[in-house]
Amino acid sequence: AQSVAQPEDQVNVAEGNPLTVKCTYSVSGNPYLFWYVQYPNRGLQFLLKYITGDNLVKGSYGFEAEFNKSQTSFHLKKPSALVSDSALYFCAVRDYYSSASKIIFGSGTRLSIRP
Amino acid sequence: KAGVTQTPRYLIKTRGQQVTLSCSPISGHRSVSWYQQTPGQGLQFLFEYFSETQRNKGNFPGRFSGRQFSNSRSEMNVSTLELGDSALYLCASSRQGVVEEKLFFGSGTQLSVL
Repeated sequence: AQSVAQPEDQVNVAEGNPLTVKCTYSVSGNPYLFWYVQYPNRGLQFLLKYITGDNLVKGSYGFEAEFNKSQTSFHLKKPSALVSDSALYFCAVRDYYSSASKIIFGSGTRLSIRP
Repeated sequence: KAGVTQTPRYLIKTRGQQVTLSCSPISGHRSVSWYQQTPGQGLQFLFEYFSETQRNKGNFPGRFSGRQFSNSRSEMNVSTLELGDSALYLCASSRQGVVEEKLFFGSGTQLSVL
């Protein structure tokens, strides 16, 4: 069975500092990995995804994520945090064993950027 | 292009009642999926519809059901509401419903069960 873990409920970073939001996954086949962000009173917005190819994936708003197969991780990163990055971040995984593979979300990490 | 639209935005119901939530996907999108978001359980997959057929289902009781119409609009129904059903219900759409596609989410319906 597939699963995804976000070990930190909250991450606090000062504006201008680099940030990392951690995600590890477990699938039986090849993982398709995603990051979504949720702002208050809104639905989720897609940030980036890893399907295949280059392990470093670049996404929206200056975010990037690194796929590490040996560590089964897909950490979200940004070189310089902005106050506007404060939001709830979800990592998600799909296991491509059929065209109907369902998506599993992590529990979410609340990112707080202080001025 | 209009985004994913969910109605109503807020709902208050009492235990034992039933409720229907509506989701209109982005024009041209054929896959609609539903999720329950709660502070304690996070974001959990309910079910996915593609071309009017339920293609996948999460681990929820039979009180939770859904359907999709020929215009891809979808409805979700919860019968015999329980206090624990209080949550934000999100729907998402994608064009072809394939695993590598990103999902487009609506703003959700906040359901409160009293």
